[in-house]
Amino acid sequence: QQQVRQSPQSLTVWEGETAILNCSYENSAFDYFPWYQQFPGEGPALLISILSVSDKKEDGRFTIFFNKREKKLSLHIADSQPGDSATYFCAASSNYGNEKITFGAGTKLTIKP
Amino acid sequence: NTKITQSPRYLILGRANKSLECEQHLGHNAMYWYKQSAEKPPELMFLYNLKQLIRNETVPSRFIPECPDSSKLLLHISAVDPEDSAVYFCASRRDSYSDYTFGSGTRLLVI
Repeated sequence: QQQVRQSPQSLTVWEGETAILNCSYENSAFDYFPWYQQFPGEGPALLISILSVSDKKEDGRFTIFFNKREKKLSLHIADSQPGDSATYFCAASSNYGNEKITFGAGTKLTIKP
Repeated sequence: NTKITQSPRYLILGRANKSLECEQHLGHNAMYWYKQSAEKPPELMFLYNLKQLIRNETVPSRFIPECPDSSKLLLHISAVDPEDSAVYFCASRRDSYSDYTFGSGTRLLVI
């Protein structure tokens, strides 16, 4: 059973547009949601994260919107740049501090100049 | 990523034994081995916290982790199988409330 789902599997947007990556989850106990960015040939790197007590988290051009009732969240990348082209993983863990983190399948984002 | 170094970077093997190495220079207490197959998310294999094996996910017994000290992590693989072809990432974090730092990975190809 896939506990963290991401959509779309791949996404292409033009430079300057806002890219929207979606994530949903099934486990109500999940309370911490990091997003990881992975470039080809590299390991995942933390991009931005949110706790379930918040409904929004901003960091520069990156914003997470979180809907606890619907168990959905999304990552918005404003003014997207070709350098943002990467695979983005939504992840989740329960009881913030739990050792295990569950990754979604990822969204491959391509920004066209 | 010089904060976590992994070696070798690339590895091509037949049915042989090999060890992957990882060292973190961050003073973190927890270290992890993740396996990432093509077009898949990372999957947790092993976790060490303060040199103690805390969680051992369901992985084949031919994979044996070792943590000689708090900054180093090894993954011994015996008689590799083609399904083992993947990228193996080492990761660490200071504690359970901190975020992961991943290494650049070892790309294993079994032929």
